[in-house]
Amino acid sequence: DQQVKQNSPSLSVQEGRISILNCDYTNSMFDYFLWYKKYPAEGPTFLISISSIKDKNEDGRFTVFLNKSAKHLSLHIVPSQPGDSAVYFCAALYSGGGADGLTFGKGTHLIIQP
Amino acid sequence: DVKVTQSSRYLVKRTGEKVFLECVQDMDHENMFWYRQDPGLGLRLIYFSYDVKMKEKGDIPEGYSVSREKKERFSLILESASTNQTSMYLCASRLAGGKETQYFGPGTRLLVL
Repeated sequence: DQQVKQNSPSLSVQEGRISILNCDYTNSMFDYFLWYKKYPAEGPTFLISISSIKDKNEDGRFTVFLNKSAKHLSLHIVPSQPGDSAVYFCAALYSGGGADGLTFGKGTHLIIQP
Repeated sequence: DVKVTQSSRYLVKRTGEKVFLECVQDMDHENMFWYRQDPGLGLRLIYFSYDVKMKEKGDIPEGYSVSREKKERFSLILESASTNQTSMYLCASRLAGGKETQYFGPGTRLLVL
């Protein structure tokens, strides 16, 4: 049973426009959420995170929004650049769970069109 | 800068072979993790270790074991490799504490023939 869902396997956006990547979760215990970016043949790199006590976190061109009641989060990239083309993974954890690993979604392949 | 290294980028093994994947981190992180990434399945947790000689099963531990004899090194062992273990294996580490960022290595792409 998938606890973190990214329902769009791929997304194509024009350079300069906004990219919105969506993520849903089912486990109410999750209280910390992260986005990772992955290029082919490389490990994922951390992008941005948000705690469940917040509804928004911003870092440069990247903003993550959290809607706890809907169990939904989204990553906004504005403006989108060619280097943003990658696979984006949404991840979640319950911070009171000790050293537990992250629960990842299946990823969304973002393609930025010139 | 955190550095997580994995011993091989690409590995080809035969069915039934014993396979060792090594991971080393240089930031004195307590927690270390092994994931595998498969198309359409995302990253799935195999095993993790919260300290030296400590290990816990993740979501898909079957067919794998791990070893953490030193803090900086976490090994993943495939006792008898099978074709369904062909995958990208990713190691990660982080400081103790759930909200600390996990840092990933570059991955090992394993092909089992």
